[in-house]
Amino acid sequence: KAGVTQTPRYLIKTRGQQVTLSCSPISGHRSVSWYQQTPGQGLQFLFEYFSETQRNKGNFPGRFSGRQFSNSRSEMNVSTLELGDSALYLCASSLGGYGGVEKLFFGSGTQLSVL
Amino acid sequence: ELKVEQNPLFLSMQEGKNYTIYCNYSTTSDRLYWYRQDPGKSLESLFVLLSNGAVKQEGRLMASLDTKARLSTLHITAAVHDLSATYFCAVVSNFGNEKLTFGTGTRLTIIP
Repeated sequence: KAGVTQTPRYLIKTRGQQVTLSCSPISGHRSVSWYQQTPGQGLQFLFEYFSETQRNKGNFPGRFSGRQFSNSRSEMNVSTLELGDSALYLCASSLGGYGGVEKLFFGSGTQLSVL
Repeated sequence: ELKVEQNPLFLSMQEGKNYTIYCNYSTTSDRLYWYRQDPGKSLESLFVLLSNGAVKQEGRLMASLDTKARLSTLHITAAVHDLSATYFCAVVSNFGNEKLTFGTGTRLTIIP
C-alpha cells in the first residue's frame, strides 16, 4: 500500500513569491492535515480537510490556504512568501472519523526555503 | 488553548540504560500519540493511547497514559543506538477536533 506522497521534496523561493505544495494521501483516506515544522516553533497545525471541506484550521495568517480535491488529494498554497515561512511542511492522512483509533500517517514533507 | 509540554528536551544516555520521557498536557483529552522522527525524515507513528490507564509496548519502548494527571510517559528499556531520534507526543482535544497539538520533542542520543 503506497504511503502519503508529498511533492516537491525541496523548494527554493524568494520573498514575495507564492508556492503550491501537493499531497496525495493513502488510498481510502479522506482526511488530509497539514503541519509546519520549524526549529523555533516546532510542529504546528495548519489545517485539515475532509471530503473537500476545511474541517479545522490553525492559527496561521490568510496567506496560507489549502484545498482538497474529490480524489482526496490536497494542495497547500502560501502567497507573498516571507523569510519566516521557511520550514518543513508535512502532510498527514487518515480515514477521517472522529474519535476511536485514528492513526495519522505522515508524508516525507516538503522542505521550503525562502531567500 | 491546549498546551503540551515534554521533558526533557535533550537526553543523552548510554546503551543499556533505562529512561523515561514525560508528556504533560493542559486540557481534557483521551487520545494521545507518540511519534518518532529521524533527522531529515518524516514522523513515524509509535503508539496511540486512547483511554486512562492505557499501556502499549513495542520492543524496548513502552508508553502509558494517565488522563487524570494529564500525563503520558514513554519508557525506554535497555537503550540501543538505533533508538536515537527525536520523540514527540501529540494530543487531540476532546471536542470533535482532529487537530494534533505537538509537544516540543525530546532529542534522544544513545551513546555506545
